[in-house]
Parts: sequence; C-alpha cells; structure tokens
Amino acid sequence: KNQVEQSPQSLIILEGKNCTLQCNYTVSPFSNLRWYKQDTGRGPVSLTIMTFSENTKSNGRYTATLDADTKQSSLHITASQLSDSASYICVVSGNNNDMRFGAGTRLTVKP
Amino acid sequence: NAGVTQTPKFRVLKTGQSMTLLCAQDMNHEYMYWYRQDPGMGLRLIHYSVGEGTTAKGEVPDGYNVSRLKKQNFLLGLESAAPSQTSVYFCASRPTVLGNQPQHFGDGTRLSIL
Repeated sequence: KNQVEQSPQSLIILEGKNCTLQCNYTVSPFSNLRWYKQDTGRGPVSLTIMTFSENTKSNGRYTATLDADTKQSSLHITASQLSDSASYICVVSGNNNDMRFGAGTRLTVKP
Repeated sequence: NAGVTQTPKFRVLKTGQSMTLLCAQDMNHEYMYWYRQDPGMGLRLIHYSVGEGTTAKGEVPDGYNVSRLKKQNFLLGLESAAPSQTSVYFCASRPTVLGNQPQHFGDGTRLSIL
C-alpha cells in the first residue's frame, strides 16, 4: 500500500470555482510535506512545503493545510483558472530525506 | 538559466535494444535523481546521486544503470530494454537535503519499448 494516498484521482470544475485536494499519509517519522503542480508534458514544480509545526500556508490562490496528528494535508485552490488544469502531487519526506510520492490528482478546469 | 534539461524528449525502442538518457543541470546542485512515472502511480525512484562520482539504488533499480562522472550530468542507461520499462522518465536535482530545498525537475523523456 502506498504510504501517500491522494483523493480524488480526478476532478473537473468550472472556471472561477474553488476546490480542495486531499493527501493522507502514513510516512513516519515525518519531516515535511510538499505539494507539486505538474502541467501536461512537463515536470513537477513545487508549490509549497509544510513542516511539522505549520498548519496553514498560502501561495497566491493556493492554500495548503497540514494536520500532523491525523496525517492529513489539503490543497485548496481559490477562484480557479484554466491554467490551474494540471496534476497536483503530494510528496511526504521522512527524517532520512526519503521522499514518498502520491499518485496525484488530475484537475481539469473548464470554461 | 536552463535548469534541468533531459534528452531525448521521446524515444521508441525495440525489446533488447540499449540506450542512454541524459540529464544535465546548470544550477551546481549536488543531488540528482532519476524517477519513472507510470499511470496511476506516484513517481518512483530508480537511482540517485549525492555528488560527483557517487550513485545509489532507489526503489526500482533493476534493469537500469547510472553514472555521474561530472557534477552537472546524470546518465541513465538501459542495457536491454523490456516492454515493462515503457514509461516517462524524470530527472531531478537538488542543492542539498538541508533547509527543505525543493527538487527541480526536467520535462521528462517519454520512452516506449515495443
């Protein structure tokens, strides 16, 4: 079983709407959790990183949350744009810098 | 600043053929990684390097070899390609593992083995 599970697998929303992507993990001990955005045909690009002591962090219209007790993270996208169409990947690192990748959520924003 | 460059971008091979994928980074990063990405699965680490002249096995190393003769280059070799190696291969680099530095990824090599 993958140590990083993301949901939903895919999501379709209308432009301007908000959405929330989920990431549950079992990686332990925990060091940090990072969200990447991967456009079609491109490599992943880091959006934000959450460490153990952080609950919420924003990067423009992207807001990540972390609950280290329940081992859950979410990525909330506000006022979606067509350019937000991409895969969003959750990556969890343990104390030995071993990184575990989720399978990603494929987001499609339609006009 | 090109970042991480992968060549080639696409390749079709026949079973049993060999090839080398090249990754080059111009950011003077110490750490470099090779991943494969398959549908429905997260990126899986094939091999990695913590510095020039060093390599180490990742999660799925079988059927692949790597070399890091120069700090800026990390080569991934397939000695005898198999259909199970059809995948998208990503290279990444990172300055260090300290300070929560992110990985920088190339745009991938799409490899099909017939």
